[in-house]
Amino acid sequence: KAGVTQTPRYLIKTRGQQVTLSCSPISGHRSVSWYQQTPGQGLQFLFEYFSETQRNKGNFPGRFSGRQFSNSRSEMNVSTLELGDSALYLCASSLAGTVGYEQYFGPGTRLTVT
Amino acid sequence: KQEVTQIPAALSVPEGENLVLNCSFTDSAIYNLQWFRQDPGKGLTSLLLIQSSQREQTSGRLNASLDKSSGRSTLYIAASQPGDSATYLCAVRVSGDYKLSFGAGTTVTVRA
Repeated sequence: KAGVTQTPRYLIKTRGQQVTLSCSPISGHRSVSWYQQTPGQGLQFLFEYFSETQRNKGNFPGRFSGRQFSNSRSEMNVSTLELGDSALYLCASSLAGTVGYEQYFGPGTRLTVT
Repeated sequence: KQEVTQIPAALSVPEGENLVLNCSFTDSAIYNLQWFRQDPGKGLTSLLLIQSSQREQTSGRLNASLDKSSGRSTLYIAASQPGDSATYLCAVRVSGDYKLSFGAGTTVTVRA
């Protein structure tokens, strides 16, 4: 069974631009979560989607948004990029809508903002 | 707000020694706790998941314990190998929540 896939793996953008990252969960998984990882702040939760509905959102500005499609694939968008948005963005999927299921992470997208 | 702490931040041991990694959390109303491994620049690999009703989980050389009342979990890695060198992260999910709260991790170096 294929794991969680994320595209692109690496991205370089300029301040003020916007970016869209994509995540394909493990087949059959309906919950997708996004996390930002930086050396200073560690892993921070961005948002979680289940059946195309955002169920939880972390403490990030409105420039960070996401969505989930009917096939459970998810995208996150960051508008008006800032230097501080440089990070590893990780996507995770889990089997079902209940909170107890194991999270499986993708390889991440490394975003560099210059 | 759930706070997760991992001590020590870094650990260096000779090959063959057993590893003990600690994780503490402030809110004992957790649903489960998950241990991950992260290699430099890579994603997270799930090692063990412990539900709140469980006291421990084992997988091969790995054993994780959970003491919910004291807000602690310990990951034991037996007979460490150089390939065990990585950062180990613990994450907890609070009951009724859909996010994981992560510790900062323990970076392990196993010397050959």
